[in-house]
Amino acid sequence: GNSVTQMEGPVTLSEEAFLTINCTYTATGYPSLFWYVQYPGEGLQLLLKATKADDKGSNKGFEATYRKETTSFHLEKGSVQVSDSAVYFCALSGNYGGATNKLIFGTGTLLAVQP
Amino acid sequence: NAGVTQTPKFQVLKTGQSMTLQCAQDMNHNSMYWYRQDPGMGLRLIYYSASEGTTDKGEVPNGYNVSRLNKREFSLRLESAAPSQTSVYFCASRSTGGNSPLHFGNGTRLTVT
Repeated sequence: GNSVTQMEGPVTLSEEAFLTINCTYTATGYPSLFWYVQYPGEGLQLLLKATKADDKGSNKGFEATYRKETTSFHLEKGSVQVSDSAVYFCALSGNYGGATNKLIFGTGTLLAVQP
Repeated sequence: NAGVTQTPKFQVLKTGQSMTLQCAQDMNHNSMYWYRQDPGMGLRLIYYSASEGTTDKGEVPNGYNVSRLNKREFSLRLESAAPSQTSVYFCASRSTGGNSPLHFGNGTRLTVT
């Protein structure tokens, strides 16, 4: 079945450091891939997405490229800020219509950025 | 624009008690979902509703029931709460289609003693 594997956290960085959070997936067909972010006490928010191979999703300085050959969708940011401290979730969705097309989430990676 | 609204935000129950978690969305989405979030396990789907009048089981439906009251509202009921149901519960909605993202509420933190 479909699955998502994320690197375990916590990831602790100093402000302005480079961030990579690894995500790999297993899926049949051509899934869409997502990164969600969860700030303390809140629900998940969509950070970025990519819907086909070689697409790059980007938002708020974060980027991720859909790599079909390595089945990966790693999240990167060139210079993190304290305000980026949150839990990040990688997710996939089969690329066909209907709500039976459920999102499958990774276990989440806690990022802590220190000033 | 409120998005997805969940009530209550916090709840403490004793084992065996029942309660209903409420969820409403104002984005005219067809599909609605209930997830639970537990440390180290990510989000697990409890139940979902593809459209008004339909509901289906997700990964972990045991001990729960749902009602899609209308297009806006999707409630989750615990008939006889157990300590294993201590968790944070999230409601979400989305437009139909594999590319459309989920929109989440802020969650309900439930403790069962």
